Amino acid sequence: SQQGEEDPQALSIQEGENATMNCSYKTSINNLQWYRQNSGRGLVHLILIRSNEREKHSGRLRVTLDTSKKSSSLLITASRAADTASYFCATDALNFGNEKLTFGTGTRLTIIP
Amino acid sequence: EAEVAQSPRYKITEKSQAVAFWCDPISGHATLYWYRQILGQGPELLVQFQDESVVDDSQLPKDRFSAERLKGVDSTLKIQPAELGDSAMYLCASSYGGYDPGEQYFGPGTRLTVT
Repeated sequence: SQQGEEDPQALSIQEGENATMNCSYKTSINNLQWYRQNSGRGLVHLILIRSNEREKHSGRLRVTLDTSKKSSSLLITASRAADTASYFCATDALNFGNEKLTFGTGTRLTIIP
Repeated sequence: EAEVAQSPRYKITEKSQAVAFWCDPISGHATLYWYRQILGQGPELLVQFQDESVVDDSQLPKDRFSAERLKGVDSTLKIQPAELGDSAMYLCASSYGGYDPGEQYFGPGTRLTVT
């Protein structure tokens, strides 16, 4: 079962613009992670934000977390053609001793050159 | 940089046949995961190993799927017999494990087509 849902399901923007995608989840979490998946390939970890953090940056990525609303957002600034991929949020639920990730449905991002 | 290895990358099989996938995690990673990803969806956990022990196989269809990690290193996922609905990407991932395993490292996946 999918814990998180990304919004929008698909997003197309011009190169150089900023891209924002959102993730909502259902249960209390230990941390939330974002992954990127290029077409037909494995997933690549982008960033991890813990439940006691509200914002985190990594290069052109900015992630926010609002545990009261059970939601997170991923902002990619100054988008590039190479950012074209699917982006998934994954939640690590509070299940001490047996941590596992539950992935959302993904946002398909297309950067138009 | 160390990577998770998977083979084969692609597999076409007829329904009712047996199929097996292999995964070699990053050296030193105690936790190994097998996921199934249906086209257009996110990965869904099938089985999770801590060293050689299964810690979660609640979503593994045990009537046809089996997984092992005999020496706590590499792992094999088997489907017998394969069904048309098994067509999907099968992803292997590994992490350091422990109380706070953090990020997972994924292999390139095996794309299975059942005809």
